[in-house]
Amino acid sequence: NAGVTQTPKFRVLKTGQSMTLLCAQDMNHEYMYWYRQDPGMGLRLIHYSVGEGTTAKGEVPDGYNVSRLKKQNFLLGLESAAPSQTSVYFCASSYIRGSTDTQYFGPGTRLTVL
Amino acid sequence: QKEVEQDPGPLSVPEGAIVSLNCTYSNSAFQYFMWYRQYSRKGPELLMYTYSSGNKEDGRFTAQVDKSSKYISLFIRDSQPSDSATYLCAMSSPSGGSYIPTFGRGTSLIVHP
Repeated sequence: NAGVTQTPKFRVLKTGQSMTLLCAQDMNHEYMYWYRQDPGMGLRLIHYSVGEGTTAKGEVPDGYNVSRLKKQNFLLGLESAAPSQTSVYFCASSYIRGSTDTQYFGPGTRLTVL
Repeated sequence: QKEVEQDPGPLSVPEGAIVSLNCTYSNSAFQYFMWYRQYSRKGPELLMYTYSSGNKEDGRFTAQVDKSSKYISLFIRDSQPSDSATYLCAMSSPSGGSYIPTFGRGTSLIVHP
């Protein structure tokens, strides 16, 4: 099992450019999440999905869009990148067991917006 | 005030020391408590998971939850340089049928030989 993978690993954008980050998991997890991690801020939830075709906003959703067309994939889009979106982005997935929400994280994508 | 408070450190200890990492929280609905370890330039990985109050031990690691004080701890015995990482606490409740966790900011631990 590859677990949770993220593409790309690194990216540099100019202000106003757009891009899509891809997250894939092979554990048949229902839940998937996108976080950003900034120094001193910890992990902040951007958007999440409780199943194929459903998405919901997290703590910091502005400037991002997501789609979950297939159960194993969760895409994060930046339509018009801003320097404030410079961050490390982590995708995670988890089971629904009714009593646990243990998350498995990907390796991260380092994004710099100039 | 954030729902979960965690001192960012860094915490520097000599090899072999007992390490205590802590988080406090304000939401009494939290029932599930996790500790994640994150090495530099890597994603977080689950280290310990505890339901409700009490202790849980796994090798050199012990997780404690005191719901009455809204306080959780992670103890590392006989700390090793390989334990140097950032430790994030996380907690969740079954609110609305989901268990979306809330993370602390993480504590940076440095174990020097």
